[in-house]
Amino acid sequence: EVQLVESGGGLVQPGGSLRLSCAASGFTVSSNYMSWVRQAPGKGLEWVSITYSGGNTYYADSVKGRFSISRDNSKNTLYLQMSSLRDEDTAVYYCARDFYQSNHVHGMDVWGQGTTVTVSS
Amino acid sequence: IQLTQSPSSLSASVGDRVTITCRASQGIRSYLAWYQQKPGKAPKLLIYAGSTLQSGVPSRFSGSGSGTDFTLTISSLQPEDFATYYCQQLNNYLFTFGGGTKVEIK
Repeated sequence: EVQLVESGGGLVQPGGSLRLSCAASGFTVSSNYMSWVRQAPGKGLEWVSITYSGGNTYYADSVKGRFSISRDNSKNTLYLQMSSLRDEDTAVYYCARDFYQSNHVHGMDVWGQGTTVTVSS
Repeated sequence: IQLTQSPSSLSASVGDRVTITCRASQGIRSYLAWYQQKPGKAPKLLIYAGSTLQSGVPSRFSGSGSGTDFTLTISSLQPEDFATYYCQQLNNYLFTFGGGTKVEIK
């Protein structure tokens, strides 16, 4: 079964750091484009970051320089390292597999259940 | 690229035809996806490339448009369709979402 399971969320103080994990099963993270998307309480979806299968990475302006996306192919796991956290980073964080076809990403076809990050003193 | 969805919410009855629009601040060709999200759940991909139905999605859902103006149509609203719908542009590597449209029961 194709599945993504996130972990690593929790309560962290402003300025702190946290690393989220996303374990994949049923497919290989290394050969796919993978993204992180977040949703603040009661708000809409916000795309956060993507890593291409070839290694390129991109970030939303709101997290650039503070967040880092990576993967461990041996563990078939995607990560999001978050630092210098702010109150406005409080959200449910989802990892997702990007649906890639004909040389382009067309959407996110597999999602995890989400992990909650709360930034508060 | 910014995406503006309208309306932000709507009330409809089972069996109604529902249309949601998504306007991009600049042309995005056909690189637009639509998602459905129910409370406490992850989003679900419904349509990609503006009008292509994702596998397993009921045919009452359809999408159209290209460039800057797109629509999602539900031809006959079913009880399980009450949810929030989001558009997403994938024209460049900064994949922004629209603000969402909440479809509620009238």
